[in-house]
Amino acid sequence: DTAVSQTPKYLVTQMGNDKSIKCEQNLGHDTMYWYKQDSKKFLKIMFSYNNKELIINETVPNRFSPKSPDKAHLNLHINSLELGDSAVYFCASSPRPGGENTIYFGEGSWLTVV
Amino acid sequence: SQKIEQNSEALNIQEGKTATLTCNYTNYSPAYLQWYRQDPGRGPVFLLLIRENEKEKRKERLKVTFDTTLKQSLFHITASQPADSATYLCALDGSNDYKLSFGAGTTVTVRA
Repeated sequence: DTAVSQTPKYLVTQMGNDKSIKCEQNLGHDTMYWYKQDSKKFLKIMFSYNNKELIINETVPNRFSPKSPDKAHLNLHINSLELGDSAVYFCASSPRPGGENTIYFGEGSWLTVV
Repeated sequence: SQKIEQNSEALNIQEGKTATLTCNYTNYSPAYLQWYRQDPGRGPVFLLLIRENEKEKRKERLKVTFDTTLKQSLFHITASQPADSATYLCALDGSNDYKLSFGAGTTVTVRA
């Protein structure tokens, strides 16, 4: 029944490793997002896809690469992890892009890089 | 540069009182402004949306105002309860893009 589900919930990994976070939504939404929340709780958008097409690509290191195999899935792959990548990553979806749409968030993936 | 500022990081109030949270923005012309609630260890959950041509919106004990002249939104929780304790985030859309940008949030603690 979970609307937006992401895995894993917790991830502890060493610097230099490559890791992926997977996300799926069963709401039938066209638009999906990745947000990053840092230690100061500031929630910042990273990427957004609408119907599998990239529509928002913020200033994010190119070590971060999103992939949307279909409009219900948006995965995030991170190469060569750095200490500063430690944060909570939230996947989210909305019916369509644009500020009039409610965003539904997943429960977050806690990434710790050691 | 664009900024979204929410008043004081933390707000402590007595049960039954009204909590008032402020969201000020700079260099945005939002058509929509949203408020979300975030509990510790959870993702944000949508509460209310207000449009630029609306002055006020209510939902149960929640009230949001939107003043595009002052570039400010106020979020009120009336008759507050300990269960209202959470972090509240305001979010607004940018001009000509699809982004919903969030403030840093205000953490509300309601004492019984």
